[in-house]
Amino acid sequence: DVVMTQSPLSLPVTLGQPASISCRSSQSLVYSDGNTYLNWFQQRPGQSPRRLIYKVSNRDSGVPDRFSGSGSGTDFTLKISRVEAEDVGVYYCMQGTHWPWTFGQGTKVEIK
Amino acid sequence: EVQLVESGGGLVQPGRSLRLSCTASGFTFGDYAMSWFRQAPGKGLEWVGFIRSKAYGGTTEYAASVKGRFTISRDDSKSIAYLQMNSLKTEDTAVYYCTRDHSWGQGTLVTVSS
Repeated sequence: DVVMTQSPLSLPVTLGQPASISCRSSQSLVYSDGNTYLNWFQQRPGQSPRRLIYKVSNRDSGVPDRFSGSGSGTDFTLKISRVEAEDVGVYYCMQGTHWPWTFGQGTKVEIK
Repeated sequence: EVQLVESGGGLVQPGRSLRLSCTASGFTFGDYAMSWFRQAPGKGLEWVGFIRSKAYGGTTEYAASVKGRFTISRDDSKSIAYLQMNSLKTEDTAVYYCTRDHSWGQGTLVTVSS
């Protein structure tokens, strides 16, 4: 199985400051069709998860543009340009290139 | 608006069965693949399984932890996806979510305990 490793696992941030989460995969996530199926999810406290980013860098509808995804191959990053209070929660990367789909451990974002 | 509503969760004894339903609305259900995920209490997310649309054969994929015990099916006429869970174990205790692309349901809690 593809192992997804996130860092850091805990991320205290100051409101209005940027934040960055790294996600590394144990093998390339480039699929045979040329796409890279790397997603990012947000789970606010007490809520269902919500997909933020698909195929590395595509924001889902309704996702604020302060969220951005980047990366390629085995190395990916989720960035929040200016953290707001509503961004508190746990963030997960997930690969959908190889069966079984696998998640990172999650990164807990909290306000300092 | 896409809506997904899971139902069928509850308390069940180890070794018994349970069937979850995911009732969809707001889109042409038969055109889409559907997935199931779960989250054990206080833990991270885990993918459970996936069913393709009929146009792609309606075939399924499963996580190793549930393969041979869980079965995903779909009734496109009713816009429902099912997760049949047999031989349940205590480690299957989790909130189960169905999803379509970026849309998630609210989840249904399954507790496996004697």
